[in-house]
Amino acid sequence: NAGVMQNPRHLVRRRGQEARLRCSPMKGHSHVYWYRQLPEEGLKFMVYLQKENIIDESGMPKERFSAEFPKEGPSILRIQQVVRGDSAAYFCASSPQNNYGYTFGSGTRLTVV
Amino acid sequence: RKEVEQDPGPFNVPEGATVAFNCTYSNSASQSFFWYRQDCRKEPKLLMSVYSSGNEDGRFTAQLNRASQYISLLIRDSKLSDSATYLCVVNTGFGNEKLTFGTGTRLTIIP
Repeated sequence: NAGVMQNPRHLVRRRGQEARLRCSPMKGHSHVYWYRQLPEEGLKFMVYLQKENIIDESGMPKERFSAEFPKEGPSILRIQQVVRGDSAAYFCASSPQNNYGYTFGSGTRLTVV
Repeated sequence: RKEVEQDPGPFNVPEGATVAFNCTYSNSASQSFFWYRQDCRKEPKLLMSVYSSGNEDGRFTAQLNRASQYISLLIRDSKLSDSATYLCVVNTGFGNEKLTFGTGTRLTIIP
């Protein structure tokens, strides 16, 4: 049973480009959470999704960031017109239920140059 | 005041020593508490949950003081493999999205 799969592991984008981060939850998990970890900072909650629904996006920046979890395929975190401040590690986690423990993926490290 | 505060360290401790980490949280309505471990450039992994009665898992002991809003982690007989960043995590609600992570305490075990 594969764990939470994130890809790519490393992503380099120039300022102004778009970044797409993918997360495939563990088999049987329908709840997905995205977190961002800036250098020397703790993980910050961004968004919580179930299949085809955004449940809580209170941690998402108001502009340029969006997330989806379609009926088929992985969850996608999309960052448009990236800026240097978007450079961070982005972690995805999944769980079978919302109040159940979850498992993190290995993360995507985004570097904006 | 941060929701979850930890001493960032670093703690440099000789192998075999005992080390203790502290964490305070600001929201008195917090429901559940955890310690996670994060190795360099890796994802966080659950180390243990923290209960009011205190709990132990091998060399690791976690304590919770609700009155003082304080959580601790004690590592006895430390091993080189214990070198990592330890994250204090507090859940202010009933869902996973309410988990708040501290910035972590970095521990290095010295041979």
